[in-house]
Amino acid sequence: EVQMVESGGGLVQPGRSLRLSCAASGFTFDDYAMHWVRQAPGKGLEWVSGISWNSGSTGYADSVKGRFTISRDNARNSLYLQMNSLTTEDTALYYCTKAPNLANWGQGTLVTVSS
Amino acid sequence: AIQMTQSPSSLSASVGDRVTITCRASQDIRNNLGWYHQKPGKAPKLLIYAASNLQSGVPSRFSGSGSGTDFTLTISSLQPEDFATYYCLQDYNYPWTFGQGTKVEI
Repeated sequence: EVQMVESGGGLVQPGRSLRLSCAASGFTFDDYAMHWVRQAPGKGLEWVSGISWNSGSTGYADSVKGRFTISRDNARNSLYLQMNSLTTEDTALYYCTKAPNLANWGQGTLVTVSS
Repeated sequence: AIQMTQSPSSLSASVGDRVTITCRASQDIRNNLGWYHQKPGKAPKLLIYAASNLQSGVPSRFSGSGSGTDFTLTISSLQPEDFATYYCLQDYNYPWTFGQGTKVEI
C-alpha cells in the first residue's frame, strides 16, 4: 500500500525556519517525482513545490520561491521541505504527494507561524 | 504563472442532479489537467487525470473533458457522498496551479 507520512510541523515564530519531512513506503520511491501541496485554514489548495525522481529538476510556487527548498533522499525514501523566513501567510496544513497525477496523499503536517 | 479560473465557486444541487464545473486556463495547457475532490478534514482525492481519464476506483458518473484552455468536470447523477469541494490542477509547467475550488452543497 502506498503511504506517505509527513512530520516536522509545529508552531514557529515569524522569520524562523522549519524543515518538513515525508516518509514514503509501498512503492519504488526513486521512480517518481514528488510534490508538496499546502492548504491554509479554511482556504483552497496551493501547490508549493515539486522535485523530479533524481533531484535534477525542481519547481516552486511564486509565493515560496527563494525561501523554501525541496529535496529528497532516495536511499531513505524521504522527501523534505526546508522552509526559511516563514511568515504568517505560510500557516497551513502541508501535504506530501506522489506523481504522476498526485493520486496518493499523506494526511499532512500542520505548520503554524505566529508570534 | 498559469492562472486557473474555476467556476462556479459554489453550487447547490440535489441527489440525482447532473453537475458541471468548469476550469479555464490563462494559456494553452494541452490536456495537462486533473480534477480532485476534498471532504472536510480529509486529504484531496484524484478523480480525473490528463483531462479525461478516470482514475482507477472512481465511479463512472464522474467524467472530464476539454483541452487547451477550457475544461469541464461532469457528475452525471450526484450522490450523497459527492458533496465536497472540487479543484482543478494544471500540471503543464511549473509552477503548477490549482483552481480556487467549487463547493458542492445540498
